[in-house]
Amino acid sequence: ETGVTQTPRHLVMGMTNKKSLKCEQHLGHNAMYWYKQSAKKPLELMFVYNFKEQTENNSVPSRFSPECPNSSHLFLHLHTLQPEDSALYLCASSQDSATSTDTQYFGPGTRLTVL
Amino acid sequence: GENVEQHPSTLSVQEGDSAVIKCTYSDSASNYFPWYKQELGKGPQLIIDIRSNVGEKKDQRIAVTLNKTAKHFSLHITETQPEDSAVYFCAASLNDKIIFGKGTRLHILP
Repeated sequence: ETGVTQTPRHLVMGMTNKKSLKCEQHLGHNAMYWYKQSAKKPLELMFVYNFKEQTENNSVPSRFSPECPNSSHLFLHLHTLQPEDSALYLCASSQDSATSTDTQYFGPGTRLTVL
Repeated sequence: GENVEQHPSTLSVQEGDSAVIKCTYSDSASNYFPWYKQELGKGPQLIIDIRSNVGEKKDQRIAVTLNKTAKHFSLHITETQPEDSAVYFCAASLNDKIIFGKGTRLHILP
């Protein structure tokens, strides 16, 4: 799993806190993704960046704010979250998001608990 | 939009037996179908994929079949081993959209 790394691996935060999740890919890819994984639900795509430009925002609440400073790094800034936002947040990368046959490589995820 | 259904949600098989997981998709234009394996504490990892111009693909003990007419595809694992225990996800991709199934938790019984 050295291809895509995520920090922190675990995060507990209160509803009034502000925190950030970090993702880094070492694969030379141009596209990066944030997914939310909740129990007994399909993986939910949140955001897509291709060549540092956001190409997809899947109706995600504004309390989640992504940032992609370059093709290798992706952040998810969190503020005033709700308990139902508790989930595993997965980052992925692929060569080019516009190509449907590109394989996505996932990081290990950040387990987020909102109290 | 695309919808992917995956069955069963849980599957238990005896070590050494075969396991089959099935998925259906709704958009006939989908052209790429990856399968991911997710072990405890890890992110999903691609184990095999198939493109719409191919009917079957094998990689050692793992095979995937695709029936474009019926819009379904299946994952076959033969001679199952304890390390095959994990959650498996199918997905269907069209253009820049990839839709995942809900996952199948596979238990390999000793």
